[in-house]
Amino acid sequence: GEDVEQSLFLSVREGDSSVINCTYTDSSSTYLYWYKQEPGAGLQLLTYIFSNMDMKQDQRLTVLLNKKDKHLSLRIADTQTGDSAIYFCAEIRNSGNTPLVFGKGTRLSVIA
Amino acid sequence: NAGVTQTPKFRILKIGQSMTLQCTQDMNHNYMYWYRQDPGMGLKLIYYSVGAGITDKGEVPNGYNVSRSTTEDFPLRLELAAPSQTSVYFCASSADVQETQYFGPGTRLLVL
Repeated sequence: GEDVEQSLFLSVREGDSSVINCTYTDSSSTYLYWYKQEPGAGLQLLTYIFSNMDMKQDQRLTVLLNKKDKHLSLRIADTQTGDSAIYFCAEIRNSGNTPLVFGKGTRLSVIA
Repeated sequence: NAGVTQTPKFRILKIGQSMTLQCTQDMNHNYMYWYRQDPGMGLKLIYYSVGAGITDKGEVPNGYNVSRSTTEDFPLRLELAAPSQTSVYFCASSADVQETQYFGPGTRLLVL
């Protein structure tokens, strides 16, 4: 398909791990991104991974990339209430008129 | 270093009115972008610019115009506002097309 796909909702308990999944479309994408959007705010870059990497870890965040399946995931360890937000997956496209294509976002709700 | 700034934060327009959404970045980025975000949706690219004097259409350009006379500024013009243009508009910039995009805080527009 043409779209970057994400599940729309995820609910976890505080202290648990969250895993947000994304399927992208362009196998030649060089960078894949995770952005976080808090209510009423703009998008904040959370992390990114270069396409020649399988995994990237940054404190509580772990990004896994499966290029064969075009699957990207974001794991948040020890999820906190402050992690409640919408998380957008995005890919760089090397063709078409849209350099960066976003998924519809996954709304993460953290239950205390 | 303010990053990407947008004005106004919020505006109500009547059908048929026109307005300009302002965007300024102070990072000396060549690339600038305008997106719209509709409820429950990801971001759709309206227009982008690869440098002063050069603009290109994105995925949803109809009803909008842009100009890029300086590296810093990338205003978005709505000539005849329609209810379908009710949305949140985000401006972003990046050093290059493959580089990370940095977003402004957004302009919420309501067309009645």
